[in-house]
Amino acid sequence: QKEVEQNSGPLSVPEGAIASLNCTYSDRVSQSFFWYRQYSGKSPELIMSIYSNGDKEDGRFTAQLNKASQYVSLLIRDSQPSDSATYLCAVKGSGGYNKLIFGAGTRLAVHP
Amino acid sequence: GAVVSQHPSRVICKSGTSVKIECRSLDFQATTMFWYRQFPKKSLMLMATSNEGSKATYEQGVEKDKFLINHASLTLSTLTVTSAHPEDSSFYICSARDGTMGDTQYFGPGTRLTVL
Repeated sequence: QKEVEQNSGPLSVPEGAIASLNCTYSDRVSQSFFWYRQYSGKSPELIMSIYSNGDKEDGRFTAQLNKASQYVSLLIRDSQPSDSATYLCAVKGSGGYNKLIFGAGTRLAVHP
Repeated sequence: GAVVSQHPSRVICKSGTSVKIECRSLDFQATTMFWYRQFPKKSLMLMATSNEGSKATYEQGVEKDKFLINHASLTLSTLTVTSAHPEDSSFYICSARDGTMGDTQYFGPGTRLTVL
């Protein structure tokens, strides 16, 4: 069973701080990795995708991928209360049909 | 770009009736769409993969005769919950894969189903 693991949280950070969200995955051949944000009662929205080892930055968000360690993370700089949500890590499975394997999500709470 | 719509956003029905939910990719063609279900404070659960022009692939434990999926065009997939019961009450979310953007899936806004 291919798995994606995330700490459920809540991760509580003060406004303006850096929030660090982590994810590990079990399928060594995975090539595509995604971070989604889900507000309570809403559907997930894509934040970033990452395919290569290293860092990928987009505004206040930085995704980091280390395939050797099977680890992907998301950093949120200058955290805002509006960033408070559940963050879902997703990994494309090695099977067919391009389905994504989702972690259970980490709940982030940014307090003023 | 990459907008996915769902209709209806919310539906309340009586036990025993059937409910159809539509998922549309508005600005791209999606050969593959996915249907998820999410219970309160729980993680997403993939129900099935919908492929345009062929039968859907259901995840283990999901009854294909209860959750009928049709993907008749490159922009539309439908999920019909047949003979709905209160335990089917949930948040149903579709996503669509934009083949031009690799494996990225874009989610619709979801449909909240309540079965009385």
